[in-house]
Amino acid sequence: NAGVTQTPKFQVLKTGQSMTLQCAQDMNHNSMYWYRQDPGMGLRLIYYSASEGTTDKGEVPNGYNVSRLNKREFSLRLESAAPSQTSVYFCASSEVGPSGEQFFGPGTRLTVL
Amino acid sequence: GEDVEQSLFLSVREGDSSVINCTYTDSSSTYLYWYKQEPGAGLQLLTYIFSNMDMKQDQRLTVLLNKKDKHLSLRIADTQTGDSAIYFCAEWSGTASKLTFGTGTRLQVTL
Repeated sequence: NAGVTQTPKFQVLKTGQSMTLQCAQDMNHNSMYWYRQDPGMGLRLIYYSASEGTTDKGEVPNGYNVSRLNKREFSLRLESAAPSQTSVYFCASSEVGPSGEQFFGPGTRLTVL
Repeated sequence: GEDVEQSLFLSVREGDSSVINCTYTDSSSTYLYWYKQEPGAGLQLLTYIFSNMDMKQDQRLTVLLNKKDKHLSLRIADTQTGDSAIYFCAEWSGTASKLTFGTGTRLQVTL
């Protein structure tokens, strides 16, 4: 099992460019999440998908869109990148409910110039 | 709203015990978690505790929960250089149905 995979690992964008971060899990989990990690701020939830076909906003959704393509895949799109979106992005998945451990991907380091 | 706070940095000598502290504000928290992040990697779950427990022990790890003071701690016995990482506490909010992470505590283990 690969667990949670993310592509790309690194990306540099210019302001205004768009890109999609890909995430896939092979653990048959219902719930998937996108977080961003910034120094001194921990992880902040961008969007999540409790189950296939549903998506909901998290704490910091502005400037992002998501697609739950199927049970395995959950993508994050930046339509017009801004320097404030420079961050490390993590995808995670879990079973439904609070006792379900969240499994994290290795992260995508994004720099917006 | 939910808020989880941690100190940013802790330095200990190899072989000593480490204690990482966390405070949270959401009284409806049902589960509290400790995650570990090694350099360049994602987060891995270390342990968790249900809110009706006071203590949980798992090998070198001891989690203490003071629900009255909303204080959570992680003790690592016999700290090793491989324990150097960032440790995040997180709480599951029953009302908001989401996980809220603290800012993370960077643990540095010196020889």
